[in-house]
Amino acid sequence: ELKVEQNPLFLSMQEGKNYTIYCNYSTTSDRLYWYRQDPGKSLESLFVLLSNGAVKQEGRLMASLDTKARLSTLHITAAVHDLSATYFCAVEPFSNTGNQFYFGTGTSLTVIP
Amino acid sequence: KAGVTQTPRYLIKTRGQQVTLSCSPISGHRSVSWYQQTPGQGLQFLFEYFSETQRNKGNFPGRFSGRQFSNSRSEMNVSTLELGDSALYLCASRTSGGFAYEQYFGPGTRLTVT
Repeated sequence: ELKVEQNPLFLSMQEGKNYTIYCNYSTTSDRLYWYRQDPGKSLESLFVLLSNGAVKQEGRLMASLDTKARLSTLHITAAVHDLSATYFCAVEPFSNTGNQFYFGTGTSLTVIP
Repeated sequence: KAGVTQTPRYLIKTRGQQVTLSCSPISGHRSVSWYQQTPGQGLQFLFEYFSETQRNKGNFPGRFSGRQFSNSRSEMNVSTLELGDSALYLCASRTSGGFAYEQYFGPGTRLTVT
């Protein structure tokens, strides 16, 4: 069964600092998604990465995909309090016949003023 | 364009009862998926429907079932509720075109089983 591992599970960082969240997965795939979830809320789509070497940036967040290493990263630059949330990566396998996404465990990010 | 809607948003049921949750996808989206989210197990895929047919099913017992109507609206049903069924149930919709990528998630139904 496909496994998706995120680390760290919990991240507490000071405002203004940089950090990276890692997402490793166990099968070949060229579709990787990042979502944000605020407490008690649904999933908000952040990035869709569709090929090896894909890099996308939005504000202080940048996501990249290395399909050979089966690794995606979400880099946070100069963190601000508003980025506090739980971040999930999700993988869609090549052989996906029913739109099943496999989610990582999530990284709970707290940005401290 | 309206997003994915789910009803009800909150539900409290007793063990042994059954429950039906509803999901209306984004207009034009024909694929609807359901996920269960719990603190212990995270986000787990329940099933996916496309054009009224179940195409994929996750590893859940038969107490969990679903269906999709001709207008793409979907319902999921859980019979004989157990305490462990307490969770946030998320519905997601997706277009079916050749460049179908993102799944858009609804606000979820928070089910509490007592």
